[in-house]
Amino acid sequence: NAGVTQTPKFQVLKTGQSMTLQCAQDMNHEYMSWYRQDPGMGLRLIHYSVGAGITDQGEVPNGYNVSRSTTEDFPLRLLSAAPSQTSVYFCASSNSARGRQPQHFGDGTRLSIL
Amino acid sequence: SQQGEEDPQALSIQEGENATMNCSYKTSINNLQWYRQNSGRGLVHLILIRSNEREKHSGRLRVTLDTSKKSSSLLITASRAADTASYFCATDETGAQKLVFGQGTRLTINP
Repeated sequence: NAGVTQTPKFQVLKTGQSMTLQCAQDMNHEYMSWYRQDPGMGLRLIHYSVGAGITDQGEVPNGYNVSRSTTEDFPLRLLSAAPSQTSVYFCASSNSARGRQPQHFGDGTRLSIL
Repeated sequence: SQQGEEDPQALSIQEGENATMNCSYKTSINNLQWYRQNSGRGLVHLILIRSNEREKHSGRLRVTLDTSKKSSSLLITASRAADTASYFCATDETGAQKLVFGQGTRLTINP
């Protein structure tokens, strides 16, 4: 049982480059979300989705784009990478849209923007 | 904005001792959850306590919730080296569709 799988685990980009962080879950969860974790800041919500075709912004959405074409996948796109986006990114899924149930996290993507 | 604030930010104790971490929040909630994060890994759910519950146990974990004080505590009894990790509280705000995480407590268990 894979749970939530994030790829890649590590990535280095140059300022201005774009890339997609992949997230897939095999638990048939409707709710998926992306967080970034920075030292001393805890986890901050970037975007979330309550089901295929439905996405919404979180606390820090600027510079990121998401789509949800299937229940399983929820990719996060960096449109034009900036050094301020250096962070660890976590994808999570849950069978509750309202945070009423535990979230299952991937192991993260460590992203450095030079 | 951050909802939960953990206290202390860091805690170092000897193996076998009890560890207590606190979380305070600002708005009304449906539930509060505690997560553990080992170094270099994702968060792992530990326990969920609903707003109408006051105490919950899971193995060596005991969580309390005081909605009048808008605070929760996580107690780990008989700590082990494997408990070394960061611990986060997360609140399910009433009317929201998301969890809001605190900044975490870094717990170190010394052998």
